[in-house]
Parts: sequence; structure tokens; C-alpha cells
Amino acid sequence: EAQVTQNPRYLITVTGKKLTVTCSQNMNHEYMSWYRQDPGLGLRQIYYSMNVEVTDKGDVPEGYKVSRKEKRNFPLILESPSPNQTSLYFCASSLGPGAANTGELFFGEGSRLTVL
Amino acid sequence: EDKVVQSPLSLVVHEGDTVTLNCSYEVTNFRSLLWYKQEKKAPTFLFMLTSSGIEKKSGRLSSILDKKELFSILNITATQTGDSAVYLCAVNNFNKFYFGSGTKLNVKP
Repeated sequence: EAQVTQNPRYLITVTGKKLTVTCSQNMNHEYMSWYRQDPGLGLRQIYYSMNVEVTDKGDVPEGYKVSRKEKRNFPLILESPSPNQTSLYFCASSLGPGAANTGELFFGEGSRLTVL
Repeated sequence: EDKVVQSPLSLVVHEGDTVTLNCSYEVTNFRSLLWYKQEKKAPTFLFMLTSSGIEKKSGRLSSILDKKELFSILNITATQTGDSAVYLCAVNNFNKFYFGSGTKLNVKP
């Protein structure tokens, strides 16, 4: 089954304790990205990756890091989480920007993070 | 600044009504506009539009894009309670996806 898998789905942590949210897709997609969703603000892009070892900032990258060492995985790293990073996080993937790409994003189930 | 604006922010209708959701955008290097439906979990894909004037249809849902006026509409006819959700509009410019804040639709029996 084609899917994007995120873990953990729910996490409560404390300020300053490093955490990683994993994301894996099994569709051989080139493009992967992370979003946070906050009430009234919609989905905002944190980081994206066009392919292995190619990452770039989205609109709200502060406080986050990513890596893309393998095509299927795109972890989101919070080095020193703060309460303003409490949010619902989505990972998504898509075919690359070539001519055949539909542009459709496939989303993971979401990870609800609370930072105390 | 690239942005996507959806209206209305929320909408309450009764079953059987027809609704129109709006999405306007200002995004450089436009590639596609996408509509998603979000219930209590991940957004699910509805439509992707790349060309003006070509209506996409799926059952009671339809959508159309106007690239000259920079907007799209999503129509839902004969609404049902199962249509209650947040509807998201997103614009892709090859590298990034820009989302609107969504329209929350509540369909009452």
C-alpha cells in the first residue's frame, strides 16, 4: 500500500529536549516536505527536499532541521524545542518536478507535538 | 509575498444546499492549484488544476481555475453531512506549496 508514515503520532516533551519526528514514504517520490498546522493559519511549509542530499527552507524553518540521506526518509529534527513549536506536523511527498509530476501531495497521518 | 487566501473562513449550510468555496492566489511561477479535504486527520486529495477554464468533476464536487484572475472555486452540490470538513486550497510553484487557511464547512441535517 502506497503510504507516508510518520512517527511518533503523539508526543509530549519538555523545553530543550531534542526530538526527531521520522517520515518515510514507499512511493519512490523525489519530493518530500514538512508542514505545521496551527489554528487559523493553515498549513505552513517548514522544509522541503527535491531529492537526496537536496534540502531547502520553507516559510517557517526557524528551530527545525532536516536531512535527506535516503530517498525514502525525511526526518524532522527539533534540536531545542520550545512551547511555540507545539503544533500538528505533517510530512508529505510527491513525484519530482519533472513533466510527469502531477504535483499532488501525499500526506502522512500527522504528528501532534506538545512542548511544555 | 506569495500567498493563498480562501473565503469564506467558515460556512454553515443544510443538507441539499449547494456551496461555493473560493481560493485566490498570488504565487510566482505558478504550476498547479490543488484542493484537499481535511476531516480529523490528514488532508485527502480532491483535484489538481493547471489550466484555465477546464472544469474538473468528481461526483457532486467540481472545480475550475481562472489563471488570468488568479482564483479557483470549488463547488459542492446537494451537500451531505459527510461533506463537513475543512477544505484546503494549495498552490504549487515547483519548489514550494502554499496553503490557504482553509474553509470550514458544516453541513447540518
